[in-house]
Amino acid sequence: KAGVTQTPRYLIKTRGQQVTLSCSPISGHRSVSWYQQTPGQGLQFLFEYFSETQRNKGNFPGRFSGRQFSNSRSEMNVSTLELGDSALYLCASSLIGIGGSGNTIYFGEGSWLTVV
Amino acid sequence: ELKVEQNPLFLSMQEGKNYTIYCNYSTTSDRLYWYRQDPGKSLESLFVLLSNGAVKQEGRLMASLDTKARLSTLHITAAVHDLSATYFCAVRSGGGADGLTFGKGTHLIIQP
Repeated sequence: KAGVTQTPRYLIKTRGQQVTLSCSPISGHRSVSWYQQTPGQGLQFLFEYFSETQRNKGNFPGRFSGRQFSNSRSEMNVSTLELGDSALYLCASSLIGIGGSGNTIYFGEGSWLTVV
Repeated sequence: ELKVEQNPLFLSMQEGKNYTIYCNYSTTSDRLYWYRQDPGKSLESLFVLLSNGAVKQEGRLMASLDTKARLSTLHITAAVHDLSATYFCAVRSGGGADGLTFGKGTHLIIQP
């Protein structure tokens, strides 16, 4: 059974550019959530999608957005990149989402974004 | 606002010893997760704890949850070098509205 797949794994962008990260959840999983990991702030919740609808959103500026497609694949986009956006972006999938009872949340390998 | 505190944040121990990592959280929650992260890698799920008094064990790791004290522990028995990693606890708030809130992680080094 394939795990959570994230692409690209590594990328370097320039300040002011935008970036799109992709996540394919485990087959059958309908919930995808995104997290940002930095040495200073640790792991922070960005947003969660379930059946193409954003259910929850963390405390991030509007430059961070996402969407989910009918096949449960998800993308997140960061516009007008800042140096502080350099981070590991982790995607997580689960059967029925953060609000579900008892299910394990599986994380992908992450996308390492460096903004220069 | 839900806050999750882990301690210790850094721990160096010898193989064969026992130790406990603590995870305190500030508001009511109905589940708690433990994850392991190796350097440069993603998060590996260890345990999901759902109810007060829940105890789960896998190999040399045992996790427990006390919802009344808002405390979870991850106990390491007879540590081996392969358990060296960073361990995170994460809590879902009772309303489930804010995703998972993670602790800062415990960086564990087990010396042979």
